[in-house]
Amino acid sequence: NAGVTQTPKFRVLKTGQSMTLLCAQDMNHEYMYWYRQDPGMGLRLIHYSVGEGTTAKGEVPDGYNVSRLKKQNFLLGLESAAPSQTSVYFCASNSAGVGTDTQYFGPGTRLTVL
Amino acid sequence: DAKTTQPTSMDCAEGRAANLPCNHSTISGNEYVYWYRQIHSQGPQYIIHGLKNNETNEMASLIITEDRKSSTLILPHATLRDTAVYYCIVRVANAGNNRKLIWGLGTSLAVNP
Repeated sequence: NAGVTQTPKFRVLKTGQSMTLLCAQDMNHEYMYWYRQDPGMGLRLIHYSVGEGTTAKGEVPDGYNVSRLKKQNFLLGLESAAPSQTSVYFCASNSAGVGTDTQYFGPGTRLTVL
Repeated sequence: DAKTTQPTSMDCAEGRAANLPCNHSTISGNEYVYWYRQIHSQGPQYIIHGLKNNETNEMASLIITEDRKSSTLILPHATLRDTAVYYCIVRVANAGNNRKLIWGLGTSLAVNP
């Protein structure tokens, strides 16, 4: 049981390049989330999904797109990277059952945009 | 979800109990208190949560005041590996599709040898 995994772990992009971050969970969780974390700030929610085929905007969605084609995967895309998107990105998931609001996090992806 | 207030940083001696306070004076009756921690460069990790009764698990104890306006996370015998940022979050449990957590800056706990 790997839990939540993220690919890649590190990435350096040039301004204007695109990339996709992959999050995978093997816990059969309905809910999945993408956060970003910047120095001196708490985690901020980018987008989230309450089930396969559904996505919704979080606090800071601009410049990002997401897709949830399979229940176990949640993809975060940057179409045209900007230096302001330099950050650590965390994926999380949790079950939809009663009393199961605990979120499980991946190890993070460290992205630098030059 | 109610806001929380935590001290920016705390120190604790290794082997001693670490008591991390959290103020949530505007908490509603159906809001739970959750605690997570984030060890440097890792993803956050769930510790414990509670509604109004004190809770204990293998990691920590959670003490919630009777009026529920504040709580304390207790690490009974802190080790160097407990050095981390600790987040106190208040939210409504099982709130339909609204399962989002609002993260503050947390308390940076340094456990010293």
